[in-house]
Amino acid sequence: KAGVTQTPRYLIKTRGQQVTLSCSPISGHRSVSWYQQTPGQGLQFLFEYFSETQRNKGNFPGRFSGRQFSNSRSEMNVSTLELGDSALYLCASSPTSSTLETQYFGPGTRLLVL
Amino acid sequence: SQKIEQNSEALNIQEGKTATLTCNYTNYSPAYLQWYRQDPGRGPVFLLLIRENEKEKRKERLKVTFDTTLKQSLFHITASQPADSATYLCALNRDDKIIFGKGTRLHILP
Repeated sequence: KAGVTQTPRYLIKTRGQQVTLSCSPISGHRSVSWYQQTPGQGLQFLFEYFSETQRNKGNFPGRFSGRQFSNSRSEMNVSTLELGDSALYLCASSPTSSTLETQYFGPGTRLLVL
Repeated sequence: SQKIEQNSEALNIQEGKTATLTCNYTNYSPAYLQWYRQDPGRGPVFLLLIRENEKEKRKERLKVTFDTTLKQSLFHITASQPADSATYLCALNRDDKIIFGKGTRLHILP
């Protein structure tokens, strides 16, 4: 089975722009979670989607949003980018609808905001 | 507030020895705890999961202990190899919430 894929792998944006990141989960996995990883804060949970519905949300501002499609693929959007949004964005999939399950992570999208 | 602490300093261990990594937490009662490995430029990879009613879990050269009284988990790699060099993350789960520690960098010296 193919693993979790994320596109693009690298991205450079400027402040004020918006960005959309994409994640394709492992075939058959219906839950997709998104995380932000920075050296200072570590890995922080953004949100989780299951069957096109957001089930959980972390403590991030409303500029961070996401969605999931009927084929379980997910996108994450960040609007009005700030310098502090520079990070590695990871998505993880799991078979069921809970972050309590083992999660399978993708390679991440490294976002640099200038 | 809920807090997870892992050794912030890198850990250097001689090849063949046992590496022990620590995960401490406060203001939290996890239902279970997971350990992940992360290599540079890659996403974390799941290693082991231990539930709150389990004291110890083993998988090949890996062993995890979970002490809910001390609020601590220890992660051991026996007969360590240079290929074990990576960052190791612990994660706590309860009620559909997951919190990750910042990780400990482990260097196995040949």
